[in-house]
Amino acid sequence: QSALTQPASVSGSPGQSITISCTGTSSDVGSYNYVSWYQQHPGKAPKLMIYEVSYRPSGVSNRFSGSKSGNTASLTISGLQAEDEADYFCTSYTSISTWVFGGGTKLTVL
Amino acid sequence: EVQLVESGGGLVQPGRSLRLSCAASGFTFDDYAMHWVRQAPGKGLEWVSGISWNSGSLGYADSVKGRFTISRDNARNSLYLQMNSLRAEDMALYYCAKSTRGVTGAFDIWGQGTMVTVSS
Repeated sequence: QSALTQPASVSGSPGQSITISCTGTSSDVGSYNYVSWYQQHPGKAPKLMIYEVSYRPSGVSNRFSGSKSGNTASLTISGLQAEDEADYFCTSYTSISTWVFGGGTKLTVL
Repeated sequence: EVQLVESGGGLVQPGRSLRLSCAASGFTFDDYAMHWVRQAPGKGLEWVSGISWNSGSLGYADSVKGRFTISRDNARNSLYLQMNSLRAEDMALYYCAKSTRGVTGAFDIWGQGTMVTVSS
């Protein structure tokens, strides 16, 4: 199972919006709404930000939103804040009952 | 407080074995699937293995299939990962993660990880 494809890095200024893409195949992202997104700050464990494409866990800011079209899922962060600077990973359930992660995207808040 | 605490990591020679443990607390352990996810130094996340609430469904990444075995003891609120025939590429921080429900659920609670170093 090949990793999902994410941009290596994205950046934005405080207050702006950014979108991180996550491209898979018809065997994972395209077939299931079991796509989730994780935020990871340096030296910390990952934190669930979005699950099942577009749902936010309790306590996650509504500045974070998710969507999916075909084989590509997206995470949008609006009103960028300094604390959003982190690595972001997407993951999807697959047709062979495994999970596959994206390579990760480093978000820099300028 | 919902918590996962991993243990069992350490330095091991290539070809040897290691058993990781994950102690869960603060939630009804046997209601949820559980997973192991690893992260090599400076690299991204890699799903390793998952297990359903009753151990009836097990899954493994191709990279560890046939070498690693996941198991759980619901009476002890514990998750395990038996790692055999370890390779240099298995060196990583191993996280235990709780699913939001079954094996298709997202990973909503993570431990702090236990480091596995494979070196002669």
